[in-house]
Amino acid sequence: EVQVVESGGGLVQPGGSLRLSCAASGFTFSSYEMNWVRQAPGKGLEWVSYISSSGSSIHYADSVKGRFTISRDNAKNSLHLQMNSLRAEDTAVYYCVRDFDYWGQGTLVTVSS
Amino acid sequence: EIVLTQSPGTLSLSPGERATLSCRASQSVSSSYLAWYQQKPGQAPRLLIYGASSRATGIPDRFSGSGSGTDFTLTISRLEPEDFAVYYCQQYGTSTYTFGQGTKLEIK
Repeated sequence: EVQVVESGGGLVQPGGSLRLSCAASGFTFSSYEMNWVRQAPGKGLEWVSYISSSGSSIHYADSVKGRFTISRDNAKNSLHLQMNSLRAEDTAVYYCVRDFDYWGQGTLVTVSS
Repeated sequence: EIVLTQSPGTLSLSPGERATLSCRASQSVSSSYLAWYQQKPGQAPRLLIYGASSRATGIPDRFSGSGSGTDFTLTISRLEPEDFAVYYCQQYGTSTYTFGQGTKLEIK
């Protein structure tokens, strides 16, 4: 069974950092492109970042460029999102998404003092 | 960045009726790289349609997608009670993906 499970969310102060992780199982992780998508409370979906199957191609939304870094470890079937200089508007549920066909249940990031 | 505008914002229909949801792009979507998702409260989104018209695995055939260029449509032929949810379109034809703002399909 395909599974992607996020972890690492929590409460952080403005300007702080957080590292999200996504553990993948049930499929050949190294063969799939991965994404992070977020959803602020009561709002719509916002794509955050993309990484190719090998990690050689990476893209970011303008809203997070220069602050967030996506990475993957194909040997450990894991995806990560390093989030720095966090702002209140980064508060959201962050979803790990396989090729847009499988979504995790999300991890909540709250940026507040 | 391609901006996707969904209409209507809210659609009120009864079970058994036909639903037509629209997604308009600010510029042409490359190779019909347009997807539709369904999201129910407290749940992650579920992929319904990709490539503008291909149903994802396990999606009932009452869901269909059509369109090209800048105008796309999701049609639900006969609404079932479980279809009432929020629907999003998404384009993935450029290096920065974008979602529409969503259409809420509610029971009339």
